[in-house]
Amino acid sequence: DAGITQSPRYKITETGRQVTLMCHQTWSHSYMFWYRQDLGHGLRLIYYSAAADITDKGEVPDGYVVSRSKTENFPLTLESATRSQTSVYFCASSEFRGPAQPQHFGDGTRLSIL
Amino acid sequence: QKEVEQNSGPLSVPEGAIASLNCTYSDRGSQSFFWYRQYSGKSPELIMSIYSNGDKEDGRFTAQLNKASQYVSLLIRDSQPSDSATYLCAVTGSGGGADGLTFGKGTHLIIQP
Repeated sequence: DAGITQSPRYKITETGRQVTLMCHQTWSHSYMFWYRQDLGHGLRLIYYSAAADITDKGEVPDGYVVSRSKTENFPLTLESATRSQTSVYFCASSEFRGPAQPQHFGDGTRLSIL
Repeated sequence: QKEVEQNSGPLSVPEGAIASLNCTYSDRGSQSFFWYRQYSGKSPELIMSIYSNGDKEDGRFTAQLNKASQYVSLLIRDSQPSDSATYLCAVTGSGGGADGLTFGKGTHLIIQP
């Protein structure tokens, strides 16, 4: 089915471990985004990408790494997980043509870091 | 830093009444505005987008935009229990959304049967 898929849906890991969250979209959208959602903070942008091999930092990028070798994939890596990175992570995609097209979200990954 | 403000609620509205949700934003260069609905444990779902001053209607939903006042609102007519959710206001910057959306923290809406 067309859409945006995140995996895993749930993940528990330990402090200091590396963990990668996957995001795959079948719409061929140019733009992809990673957000985290925490109580009291709402959704905050971590990283975004305008196309393959083009990425940029959002509001809260520290501790995260992204890559985008193919248009359809946009993985997010926590290189050394910390408890403060426990959150729900959402991937989104959009085709950008003015005015801005809305972003469509995946189902999210609930990440717990012990 | 761009900010989007919403009353966190909960906003309690009787079934069949009009629910009114409000949002203000700080960046005068913001170009596009979105309302997302989020059920508990689910992802945000787009329900309305608006780009020009005035009203935009889609079924039971009406979005209103006033750029001079930096104010966006969402009206839900004939509220149903299934409308109970958190509503997120999101705005683009002057870049038109290419650099992501800025979200408010959301308003928790409860429709009382």
